[in-house]
Amino acid sequence: AQKITQTQPGMFVQEKEAVTLDCTYDTSDPSYGLFWYKQPSSGEMIFLIYQGSYDQQNATEGRYSLNFQKARKSANLVISASQLGDSAMYFCAMREGLRSNTGKLIFGQGTTLQVKP
Amino acid sequence: EAQVTQNPRYLITVTGKKLTVTCSQNMNHEYMSWYRQDPGLGLRQIYYSMNVEVTDKGDVPEGYKVSRKEKRNFPLILESPSPNQTSLYFCASSLWGGDTQYFGPGTRLTVL
Repeated sequence: AQKITQTQPGMFVQEKEAVTLDCTYDTSDPSYGLFWYKQPSSGEMIFLIYQGSYDQQNATEGRYSLNFQKARKSANLVISASQLGDSAMYFCAMREGLRSNTGKLIFGQGTTLQVKP
Repeated sequence: EAQVTQNPRYLITVTGKKLTVTCSQNMNHEYMSWYRQDPGLGLRQIYYSMNVEVTDKGDVPEGYKVSRKEKRNFPLILESPSPNQTSLYFCASSLWGGDTQYFGPGTRLTVL
């Protein structure tokens, strides 16, 4: 069964430092997509970054980058130069392979990040 | 502004009183989906729609109905809400089923 695991329930980081949020996944489908979403205390789900299973390079979006290690089935989110506004819950998600055709996202349990001033 | 909107944002209701949560997107997306988020259970898909008039069950469809009569709208209907449907509900949309899904702001529902 497809599964996403986020092993860090909570993390602290000092403002302006970089932080890595861990995500491992399990799937037997060769085609899949990996996503990171941010959920601030206000509750909305904000898309951050996407990595396709066939993408050769790691995805980057501004201060966010995805460290994709396919053989290890990991898709860690790296946030550089942390800001106070980065304090939020972060979810790793996997889209089922194209064969299933549901578009369903499978979410991890989330990691709460707190940025210290 | 490209967005997914949901209404209401907050709702407190009583058991058995039918309600509808609306979802609308202005991005001409074909794919739309509903999720619920519960502590300890994460986000789970309720229903999804690949296109107009095409809907299908997700992982937790019991107690919910949906319709997709227009491309932009995908309402979630609770015919007879029960307390176990108290949750945070998200609508999401994407260009197609394999593309990035963008979420609405969420609807916090409490059923007493």
